[in-house]
Amino acid sequence: DIVMTQSPDSLAVSLGERATIKCKSSQSVLYSSNNKNYLAWYQQKPGQPPKVLIYWASTRESGVPDRFSGSGSGTDFTLTISSLQAEDVAVYYCQQYYRTPPYTFGQGTKLEIK
Amino acid sequence: EVQLVESGGGLVQPGGSLRLSCAASGFTFSSYWMSWVRQAPGKGLEWVANIKQDGSEKYYVDSVKGRFTISRDNAKNSLYLQMNSLRAEDTAVYYCARGYSYGDLWGQGTLVTVSS
Repeated sequence: DIVMTQSPDSLAVSLGERATIKCKSSQSVLYSSNNKNYLAWYQQKPGQPPKVLIYWASTRESGVPDRFSGSGSGTDFTLTISSLQAEDVAVYYCQQYYRTPPYTFGQGTKLEIK
Repeated sequence: EVQLVESGGGLVQPGGSLRLSCAASGFTFSSYWMSWVRQAPGKGLEWVANIKQDGSEKYYVDSVKGRFTISRDNAKNSLYLQMNSLRAEDTAVYYCARGYSYGDLWGQGTLVTVSS
């Protein structure tokens, strides 16, 4: 199975500042046939289900604010929040969905306000 | 309204069984792969299983193979997870999610507690 490792485990950022979360996969999730990276990012607030923010590593889900962006390819990926808002406090997960299941998640990164 | 609503969770003894349901509404259920994802208390997310639109393909995480069965009834717009031989480590909130790979729509979850 592909192992997903996020860093850091927790992060405190000031309002209006940039937040950066990393995700590394144990093998490439780039499918050469279509040049797509099979990676998604989710946001989970307390007591709520996860909400998808980004899929195909960099495609923003409809309705997600443009301060959220995803980048990277192969085994190394980044979720960036360009200007942190109070409502962005949450736990963020990356997930790979490369080829056949199981589709594994990272351990999560807890984002707080400094 | 487009939504997924899980039910069927509860307290069960180790070795027992439970059947979870997920009722879909507001979209064409039969057009989508569906998945189950779980989250142990205070822990991260774990993908559990998924099922093709017509039920002809199913995949499971190794830890539940042979114990859990995913199924669906497109006429009832419903997804199911039959869980047998339950263990303490199966204690979690179980979410149903729309999609083969990443979930673009999630339910609120149902809590399964395995304890004597």
